[in-house]
Amino acid sequence: DQQVKQNSPSLSVQEGRISILNCDYTNSMFDYFLWYKKYPAEGPTFLISISSIKDKNEDGRFTVFLNKSAKHLSLHIVPSQPGDSAVYFCAARISSGSARQLTFGSGTQLTVLP
Amino acid sequence: DAEITQSPRHKITETGRQVTLACHQTWNHNNMFWYRQDLGHGLRLIHYSYGVQDTNKGEVSDGYSVSRSNTEDLPLTLESAASSQTSVYFCASTPRVGGEQYFGPGTRLTVT
Repeated sequence: DQQVKQNSPSLSVQEGRISILNCDYTNSMFDYFLWYKKYPAEGPTFLISISSIKDKNEDGRFTVFLNKSAKHLSLHIVPSQPGDSAVYFCAARISSGSARQLTFGSGTQLTVLP
Repeated sequence: DAEITQSPRHKITETGRQVTLACHQTWNHNNMFWYRQDLGHGLRLIHYSYGVQDTNKGEVSDGYSVSRSNTEDLPLTLESAASSQTSVYFCASTPRVGGEQYFGPGTRLTVT
């Protein structure tokens, strides 16, 4: 049973427009969420994170929104650039106790069209 | 610059053979992880270690083992490779349990 779900395997947007990547989770104990970006033949790299005490975190063109009641988070990229084309993974963790590993979603392939 | 490396980057092996994938990090992180990436499954945790001599099973640990004899290395061993273990394997490390993880470039393993 996947606790972190990314239901859209792929997304295409035009350069300059907004990209919205979605992620849903089922475990209400998750209290910290991260987005990773992965280019082909490379390892994932950290992009942005958000704690459950916040509902928004912004870093340049990237903003993550968290809706705890819906158990949903989204990553907004504005404006989208061709270099943003990559696979995006969301991840979640429980901050207390022994099980503090990250649980990843299945990823969304973003393609930004020039 | 500190980094995390994996070797080999590509490996083809036969069913039943023992295979070891290397992971080496120079950040002096205590916490290291092995994941496999498969289409439709994302990154799944195989094993992890919170320090020297510490190893723990992850979500998909069957058929895999790790050992941690020093801070820098966490080799992953497939005791008897199976075709179901064909995948891309990523090693990661972090200074803080639950913190942002830094990933290696990956090893693509094919079991024929």
